[in-house]
Amino acid sequence: DQQVKQNSPSLSVQEGRISILNCDYTNSMFDYFLWYKKYPAEGPTFLISISSIKDKNEDGRFTVFLNKSAKHLSLHIVPSQPGDSAVYFCAAKSLIYSGGSNYKLTFGKGTLLTVNP
Amino acid sequence: NAGVTQTPKFRVLKTGQSMTLLCAQDMNHEYMYWYRQDPGMGLRLIHYSVGEGTTAKGEVPDGYNVSRLKKQNFLLGLESAAPSQTSVYFCASRGRAEAFFGQGTRLTVV
Repeated sequence: DQQVKQNSPSLSVQEGRISILNCDYTNSMFDYFLWYKKYPAEGPTFLISISSIKDKNEDGRFTVFLNKSAKHLSLHIVPSQPGDSAVYFCAAKSLIYSGGSNYKLTFGKGTLLTVNP
Repeated sequence: NAGVTQTPKFRVLKTGQSMTLLCAQDMNHEYMYWYRQDPGMGLRLIHYSVGEGTTAKGEVPDGYNVSRLKKQNFLLGLESAAPSQTSVYFCASRGRAEAFFGQGTRLTVV
């Protein structure tokens, strides 16, 4: 039962164009969403996040959109640069146990973004 | 600014051998996690800790044990390694929101 889904294993875009990475989730208890970027042989690094009470968060070239009714979020990168080529993971935060106070992150399988010069 | 440091970076084990992966964080975070990453599987939670002296099972805990004797350290142990445990292991620590990851340990069990 995959609660966070990234249905596109890979995406290829031209430098300067927009990259749109998508993520769907099934658990309505998720209250915070994060995007991580991962280069080969490195650990994931935090990129941008959004609370479930918002529908948009922007940080420079990166914008995350959240559509709660559709249980969908997307990461937009504009303009895309070759250095953005990496695997992008969508993650969602939720309580580990209902009624508790401890949280965990559930990750999608990742999308490999390739930005071509 | 070390952040999260994992030791070792690479290891090859024979089936049945044991080993311990060490994770150290210098951010005074309460939460620490061990994940494994396999091709096409994303990051799956093995065990986690919500504070010094506490540990709990994640999604895929079988074959692993953990300990959190000190707040800054989170150890992952394999008592009897199996080829199915060949993977890249990531440790993470978390404060209020986002988690910070180590650089990973690539483990091969032959």
